[in-house]
Amino acid sequence: EPEVTQTPSHQVTQMGQEVILRCVPISNHLYFYWYRQILGQKVEFLVSFYNNEISEKSEIFDDQFSVERPDGSNFTLKIRSTKLEDSAMYFCASNPDRIKETQYFGPGTRLLVL
Amino acid sequence: GESVGLHLPTLSVQEGDNSIINCAYSNSASDYFIWYKQESGKGPQFIIDIRSNMDKRQGQRVTVLLNKTVKHLSLQIAATQPGDSAVYFCAEKALGVSGTYKYIFGTGTRLKVLA
Repeated sequence: EPEVTQTPSHQVTQMGQEVILRCVPISNHLYFYWYRQILGQKVEFLVSFYNNEISEKSEIFDDQFSVERPDGSNFTLKIRSTKLEDSAMYFCASNPDRIKETQYFGPGTRLLVL
Repeated sequence: GESVGLHLPTLSVQEGDNSIINCAYSNSASDYFIWYKQESGKGPQFIIDIRSNMDKRQGQRVTVLLNKTVKHLSLQIAATQPGDSAVYFCAEKALGVSGTYKYIFGTGTRLKVLA
């Protein structure tokens, strides 16, 4: 069964450094999302992406964040200058189209900012 | 504002018993809901969904009930097994400005299955 994959599974970085989190959505899906989950808290929406542009973003998704689909398969989340409070699990999700609404999540990247 | 929340943070049940996990939502216009299961260190896994034009939907060992009058959602797991131990989230579909979707997640309920 097709799955959303994410790399790396874990990332440790120093405060102020840039990180890029990578996702490969399910191949025939058209809508892509990033969510984050701070330890012990609920999953929070960050951004949605469709047709090579951001569709919607949350308050969390400030100028330090950016997303890109550099090729036909990868979907990336970049944090330009990481802060301690960026430490969280970051999940990528995708769904096929507007009719099929179920989002399928990847396993996540655990980001730790020191 | 919109919110989706859960009544119980932790639920402990005996193996073989039925489990009921509850969720309250505040946006009466929401028309689609999902229950996700999240095991430790993993991403949310789809369990079952329901549209607002239904009040009940059954899957394999799971049933979701929707009460739109009181804006309440529940997940029933029959004959709970050790593998059901996880955190369960309800999620409410919210329509974005551009017509895409995002999901508003509840805070989660941890289900512990006792042997």
